[in-house]
Amino acid sequence: QLVLTQSPSASASLGASVKLTCTLSSGHINYAIAWHQQQPEKGPRYLMILNSDGSHIRGDGIPDRFSGSTSGAERYLTISSLQSEDEADYYCQTWGSGIRVFGGGTKLTVL
Amino acid sequence: EVQLLESGGALVQPGGSLRLSCAASRFAFRTYAMSWVRQAPGKGLEWVSAISGSGDITYYADSVTGRFTISRDNSKNTLYLQLKSLRAGDTAVYFCAKEVGARATTDSYFDYWGQGTLVTVSS
Repeated sequence: QLVLTQSPSASASLGASVKLTCTLSSGHINYAIAWHQQQPEKGPRYLMILNSDGSHIRGDGIPDRFSGSTSGAERYLTISSLQSEDEADYYCQTWGSGIRVFGGGTKLTVL
Repeated sequence: EVQLLESGGALVQPGGSLRLSCAASRFAFRTYAMSWVRQAPGKGLEWVSAISGSGDITYYADSVTGRFTISRDNSKNTLYLQLKSLRAGDTAVYFCAKEVGARATTDSYFDYWGQGTLVTVSS
């Protein structure tokens, strides 16, 4: 079964960096994923597609403070130079056999 | 920039029906697959249904199969979701989302989202 696992919460200080993790289920470790950001009371926004080799392409207007990387079944989203507007929920998403799957989301608090 | 504007959300009684619409603009609508994604209050995102650019391929989450129907009118640049036999668990904000691929079978991730429309199922 295709499942994405995320930690429920993370926190980091203003100006610092944070690395969020999304883990693919066994048997699916070569899947690409997409990262999406959802600020409070807003619709989601696409951040990037992240491939199994670590290559990634950011969406329109997404600053290069957002980057992706990969290690085995783990897919990472790193946000550097944290700003207050980065406080949001972050979701990973993948697909297979017709279905689309989201991780449970990580709530990022900027201290 | 791509625009997606959902409408049709409302308060509806259990067992009732509703049709949601998503008006798309500023991209070649017929070229891309589209999806509906929902978010229950205080919860995460849940994919609901997808349709290919031509409308000939559709997919549904198990939770809505047999109750919801996705469709599109490419002449009107509009995506639809027909909801039937609604339950309290269907209460959510429903987002439409543009997919990167055309056939709904590959590149099935979302690069643009709407702002959502609220469906509340309650007596």
